[in-house]
Amino acid sequence: DIVMTQGALPNPVPSGESVSITCRSSKSLLYSDGKTYLNWYLQRPGQSPQLLIYWMSTRASGVSDRFSGSGSGTDFTLKISGVEAEDVGVYYCQQGLEFNTFGAGTKLELK
Amino acid sequence: QVTLKESGPGILQPSQTLSLTCTFSGFSLSTYGMGVGWIRQPSGKGLEWLANIWWDDDKYYNPSLKNRLTISKDTSNNQAFLKITNVDTADTATYYCARIELTTQTFDYWGQGVMVTVSS
Repeated sequence: DIVMTQGALPNPVPSGESVSITCRSSKSLLYSDGKTYLNWYLQRPGQSPQLLIYWMSTRASGVSDRFSGSGSGTDFTLKISGVEAEDVGVYYCQQGLEFNTFGAGTKLELK
Repeated sequence: QVTLKESGPGILQPSQTLSLTCTFSGFSLSTYGMGVGWIRQPSGKGLEWLANIWWDDDKYYNPSLKNRLTISKDTSNNQAFLKITNVDTADTATYYCARIELTTQTFDYWGQGVMVTVSS
């Protein structure tokens, strides 16, 4: 089974600061089609998760360009440039290569 | 506009079978590349993927729960179902259904979730 491991943030984060959330997979998520099957979601308090990034670096429709994804086959980063109040919540990475495992989540709190 | 809504029993007793329904609109489970997945979240904890069903009736299950899960669909009525047998208190969670898309393997639309409590 592919295991997804997420890093923590030094909460609380000052508004306007840029932060990076890390995620590591136990197996390369790079597929033979050249795409890396790593997705990012945000779950705001009391809400359902929403898709932010797919294929490691492609923003989903309507997602602010303050969010960007990058990485290799096993190590990934979600960067938020200039955090705002609406960014507060828990961020999850999810692999789509073999079944659909989620990471444990990374909480973002604002100062 | 894609929407999904989960429904379930609310509360059930240990050893019973949990039956969940996902009623959706805005897409069809007969369309190539479309699927519905079930994901759960115990209160205050993370997301756990449970199962997916695809337009071609392919089904995939979380290996750690596979023996207890059955996913199915009713394409005509735009519904997907999940059954979990022999529940216990560890199955207490909010259960979400979400649309999953084949080419990206993303859960791009989610329901609001339904809370299920297992208690004697």
